Formats: sequence, C-alpha cells, structure tokens
Amino acid sequence: GEDVEQSLFLSVREGDSSVINCTYTDSSSTYLYWYKQEPGAGLQLLTYIFSNMDMKQDQRLTVLLNKKDKHLSLRIADTQTGDSAIYFCALMDSSYKLIFGSGTRLLVRP
Amino acid sequence: SAVISQKPSRDICQRGTSLTIQCQVDSQVTMMFWYRQQPGQSLTLIATANQGSEATYESGFVIDKFPISRPNLTFSTLTVSNMSPEDSSIYLCSVAGPLNYGYTFGSGTRLTVV
Repeated sequence: GEDVEQSLFLSVREGDSSVINCTYTDSSSTYLYWYKQEPGAGLQLLTYIFSNMDMKQDQRLTVLLNKKDKHLSLRIADTQTGDSAIYFCALMDSSYKLIFGSGTRLLVRP
Repeated sequence: SAVISQKPSRDICQRGTSLTIQCQVDSQVTMMFWYRQQPGQSLTLIATANQGSEATYESGFVIDKFPISRPNLTFSTLTVSNMSPEDSSIYLCSVAGPLNYGYTFGSGTRLTVV
C-alpha cells in the first residue's frame, strides 16, 4: 500500500520561511493535499495540488510536486506564530481514500 | 465545502463501556469516513460508512468493535465498543467533497478511557 513519510519536527524563527517535506511511494495519486491541525482541533485543508501540476501558489503557501522523485513540499512564507501546528500531507488513493503522512510539528519561535 | 457537526467533542469513559459518536453534515454526501488519531500519531482510516449498506472496514478494524450506522446521506454514527485504555484517541469523521476541495473533517471526539 501507499507509504507517506514526513519529518517529525521543524523549528523556524518568526518571519522566516518554513519548508515541510513529504515523500510517498505510490505515483498514481491524482490529488495531493496539505492539512493543518492546531492543538485540540480537527483538520483544516490548506491547499492541494493536482498530479499534473509542478507548482501551486496560494498567498503565503507554495506547493511543489516532483513526481519523478515522489516528493511533495509545502513552503510557508513569512511564517507567523499562528502557523505553529501539525502539518499533514495526504494523498488520495485509487479508492478515493486519503492516506496521511505522519505529520510535521512546526514550531515558530518569536 | 460541507460543514460537519461532530459530538461529543470529548468524553471520559470507563473501560468495558461503549461510546457512540455522531456526525451530522449540512448537505447530502455520498462518501463518509471515520478516522482514528492515536496520541501523537497520524490519522488511520477505520471504515467507510455506506448509506443503506454495511460499512467497509480497513484492515485491523472490525464491525464488532466499531459498529457504524449510516441511515441517510447526512448522518453517521461510530460506536467504540467494550472500551479499553488503548482506545483512547481522537476520532474524526470526514466527508468527501469535490476533489479539488479535499475532504472536510469534523472537529473530532477526544476519547479517554480510564
């Protein structure tokens, strides 16, 4: 089955850029998503990218997809303390189910 | 995208008892899912709730432990039966929206079994 890997932790200074990485094994995923989970809350969809795209920009968020290397990244520009959360990448499999990565905990230092 | 109301938001339960979690959606949806998030872990799909038929369970999850109902296209319940401390987790329901909107999640039920 699909295997989705993320680094567990990232710490950045406020105002810097954050880059969260995700690698996966199944190249047949059509949609790839980034979700944010704040403490005690559910999951919030941040952005998505379709598999035929290489890049997508949405305000402070930039998603890069390297299909050859099966690598997905999320860049947050001008990171703020409110961006501190756990970020999950998720891929849709052929049964329309979401397969989640392990999550990356982002800590933004003032 | 759909709006999901999930309740209870949290509960503390005695081992051996059961808890039923409800998920109400503000629009009719075809696909509803139930996930478990164990402490400090990622999300694991428990089952897909099918309207008018039995739920489809993922490997490692069985109907006797996690019975699911889906009486209509806007509502589903998940019951955690005969609970043990290992069942302490966050349980989330999710509905599939248009693919480019991703899947919407409820706010989750934080369950602690003592």
